[in-house]
Amino acid sequence: NAGVMQNPRHLVRRRGQEARLRCSPVKGHSHVYWYRQLPEEGLKFMVYLQKENIIDESGMPKERFSAEFPKEGPSILRIQQVVRGDSAAYFCASSPAGANEKLFFGSGTQLSVL
Amino acid sequence: GEDVEQSLFLSVREGDSSVINCTYTDSSSTYLYWYKQEPGAGLQLLTYIFSNMDMKQDQRLTVLLNKKDKHLSLRIADTQTGDSAIYFCAEVRPRGYQKVTFGTGTKLQVIP
Repeated sequence: NAGVMQNPRHLVRRRGQEARLRCSPVKGHSHVYWYRQLPEEGLKFMVYLQKENIIDESGMPKERFSAEFPKEGPSILRIQQVVRGDSAAYFCASSPAGANEKLFFGSGTQLSVL
Repeated sequence: GEDVEQSLFLSVREGDSSVINCTYTDSSSTYLYWYKQEPGAGLQLLTYIFSNMDMKQDQRLTVLLNKKDKHLSLRIADTQTGDSAIYFCAEVRPRGYQKVTFGTGTKLQVIP
């Protein structure tokens, strides 16, 4: 009974490189959420996706960040031209459907930008 | 404001009760959650309460909700060293979907 799977667990990038973070939701879940946790801070909402659709990206930085959740395969959070300030833990969560379902979280990807 | 607020740090002795407080922002929030995060790990849902309840008990955990003051608390009875973690409260704001807004987290340190 696999939960939300995120990979890689740790990702090291140099400034200017691209980071791709993957999230496989719980089997049968069609809703995916991405959150960012900066050091010593809480979780900040980034984006909410359903299969092939972005529903709410109000928490995504306007530039360099993008997210997708294709019909087949995992959800991808992509950060282009990373900067040191992008260093954080990125968490993915999934839920089955509806407005009142609990979120199930992955273990996160720790991104370090050198 | 938009922020869900928590005190940053709490230290208790093993065997004592811990009370972690949270002030949320949206009086129309439908659910309020408590999550636990251990070092290097993701978030684990501990418990939740519907907004039409004022108390929920689940083994060593008691959640109290004061809707008038938008105040939520988590009481852990007989706190153990394994309870040391960061605890996040979160509110579910009705935006047509599950928009979960997290607090800043309270780091609980249990002293043996």
